Amino acid sequence: ETGVTQSPTHLIKTRGQQVTLRCSSQSGHNTVSWYQQALGQGPQFIFQYYREEENGRGNFPPRFSGLQFPNYSSELNVNALELDDSALYLCASSFGGGGITDTQYFGPGTRLTVL
Amino acid sequence: AQKVTQAQTEISVVEKEDVTLDCVYETRDTTYYLFWYKQPPSGELVFLIRRNSFDEQNEISGRYSWNFQKSTSSFNFTITASQVVDSAVYFCALGGNNAGNMLTFGGGTRLMVKP
Repeated sequence: ETGVTQSPTHLIKTRGQQVTLRCSSQSGHNTVSWYQQALGQGPQFIFQYYREEENGRGNFPPRFSGLQFPNYSSELNVNALELDDSALYLCASSFGGGGITDTQYFGPGTRLTVL
Repeated sequence: AQKVTQAQTEISVVEKEDVTLDCVYETRDTTYYLFWYKQPPSGELVFLIRRNSFDEQNEISGRYSWNFQKSTSSFNFTITASQVVDSAVYFCALGGNNAGNMLTFGGGTRLMVKP
């Protein structure tokens, strides 16, 4: 059984650019959640995808968007990057449509640096 | 609104000491789940335990034990006979039935176990 994988591991961008982060869910899981973790803080929920649709969103602006594909993998897109977007981006997968009973299993994260 | 507070930002112990990590939560949900995750330096969040709001039984898993007290809204985590490999940041998280599928994390407690 493969765990959650994310790519790339590290990324450096400049202000105003756009970035795409990728996540492959754990085998058997159909739901993907994305979190942003700033240095020294706890993860903050960005959004969740189930059945290829957004299934809940945290307090993030529309320039944060996502996709889920038929194989349950997912992308996080961030447009018009700002310095404050520098963070570790974590993807988590779970089974069952995102109910609170679902345990979320996390990938290793993508560290994004915006200069 | 949901909130998780981990008042201890950093704890340092010597190997073989017992250590307790505190977690206090706030929620208006009647049904909710509490989680503990471990984040080693590699960055990946490792799932440790899930506990639902209807089950106040304490749980023990090897050197790990958890004490859930609904009356004080606390879900504390104790490591017995700590080891250097326990050094990591530990996060307490909360999910509720009205939380829109998101987990709310505390700020984390950095545990350093010295040999």
